[in-house]
Amino acid sequence: ETGVTQTPRHLVMGMTNKKSLKCEQHLGHNAMYWYKQSAKKPLELMFVYNFKEQTENNSVPSRFSPECPNSSHLFLHLHTLQPEDSALYLCASSQVPQGTNEQFFGPGTRLTVL
Amino acid sequence: AQSVTQPDIHITVSEGASLELRCNYSYGATPYLFWYVQSPGQGLQLLLKYFSGDTLVQGIKGFEAEFKRSQSSFNLRKPSVHWSDAAEYFCAVESRAAGNKLTFGGGTRVLVKP
Repeated sequence: ETGVTQTPRHLVMGMTNKKSLKCEQHLGHNAMYWYKQSAKKPLELMFVYNFKEQTENNSVPSRFSPECPNSSHLFLHLHTLQPEDSALYLCASSQVPQGTNEQFFGPGTRLTVL
Repeated sequence: AQSVTQPDIHITVSEGASLELRCNYSYGATPYLFWYVQSPGQGLQLLLKYFSGDTLVQGIKGFEAEFKRSQSSFNLRKPSVHWSDAAEYFCAVESRAAGNKLTFGGGTRVLVKP
């Protein structure tokens, strides 16, 4: 595997389910990110992890729970979601500090909440 | 706080014609600027970036962008588009004052007519 991978690519879940999204980066980076991409809205940064420590939580509801067990893996645990949480969830990684925070993105998980 | 505006939500261009996508930013210092492209069902791929030096930046896939400080702009151009350039394009600014976060514009969707 190369770059940033995400599984699953598609997920349909009910509002009472619990599921997890997985992201893995094969680039040796030390920072990882979760973004939410909804239709007709700009890309929203949700969480940032630097060296496995969470450094940013952009007022994300507690029904989204991130986990970063090491610098290569990032999870987003989901529970009791709402239909408005349906979106494309993108994971990214970068090497910081560095000249620029060039982020490398995975293909995303398309989430549908019924 | 920094912000990024992409005034055009959709652009339709004929194959072989030139393309220019507009990006305006608001940032207190010299910005680091990026253009990403997102094909349907995919994550974001970096096209090019500016952080210093020559204000005309060359990227992948035949794209270029010009940084104009006086106009707070970073417009993306391609002299001759191909059908495979149909995608959504995102401009982003990096805020070093805010932990190197990327702020994205709303995106411009490009449709290519045969």
